[in-house]
Amino acid sequence: EAGVAQSPRYKIIEKRQSVAFWCNPISGHATLYWYQQILGQGPKLLIQFQNNGVVDDSQLPKDRFSAERLKGVDSTLKIQPAKLEDSAVYLCASSTAGNEAFFGQGTRLTVV
Amino acid sequence: RKEVEQDPGPFNVPEGATVAFNCTYSNSASQSFFWYRQDCRKEPKLLMSVYSSGNEDGRFTAQLNRASQYISLLIRDSKLSDSATYLCVVRYSTLTFGKGTMLLVSP
Repeated sequence: EAGVAQSPRYKIIEKRQSVAFWCNPISGHATLYWYQQILGQGPKLLIQFQNNGVVDDSQLPKDRFSAERLKGVDSTLKIQPAKLEDSAVYLCASSTAGNEAFFGQGTRLTVV
Repeated sequence: RKEVEQDPGPFNVPEGATVAFNCTYSNSASQSFFWYRQDCRKEPKLLMSVYSSGNEDGRFTAQLNRASQYISLLIRDSKLSDSATYLCVVRYSTLTFGKGTMLLVSP
C-alpha cells in the first residue's frame, strides 16, 4: 500500500516569498492533517480536513497560511509571505476516522 | 496547562536497561491514545496504541490511567536501535502531540 506522499522534500526561500507544499494521502483516508514541527518540538497541528471540509484550523496563522483539499483527496498548504520563524518541517498525515495517523516524509522549509 | 505533557528528557541509558516514559493530558474527554516513535530527521511512526486495559508488544508495555489522565510507556531490555524520540499522542477531535522525550541508549 502506498504511503502518504509529500513534495517537495526540501525548500529554501527568502523571507517575504511564497511557497506551496503538496500532499497526497493514503487512498481511502478521509482525514488529512498538516502539522508544523520546529526543531526540538513535537508536531503542532495547523489544519485538519475531513474529506474536503475543515475540522480544525484554530492554530493556522490565517494571515499568511492557507490550505485547501479540493475533491477530498490531495491537499496543498501555502505560505505567503514567509517569515524566518516559518522555518520548520511541514508534515502531512492521513487517517481513517478515529484511528492512528500515518505521516509523509515531510517538507523541510528554510526561510533565509 | 499544556494539552499533552511529557518528561523533558533526554534519557541516557545503557543497553539492557529498563526505561519508563510518562505523559499527562488535560482533556478528560480524550478518546484514543498512542505512542509514536520519531528517528532523527524522519517522520513520526506509530509505535503502539494505548488501551485502558494496558497492552504489551514485545519489550514495550503501554498503560493508560483515565482517572489520573496519565499514559506511560515502558521499554525493557533497551537496544541501541531504541534510540529515538518518543511522542505521546492524544485524540479528542484531533490528534495532539506532546513535545517528545528523547532516548539515547549507549553500549
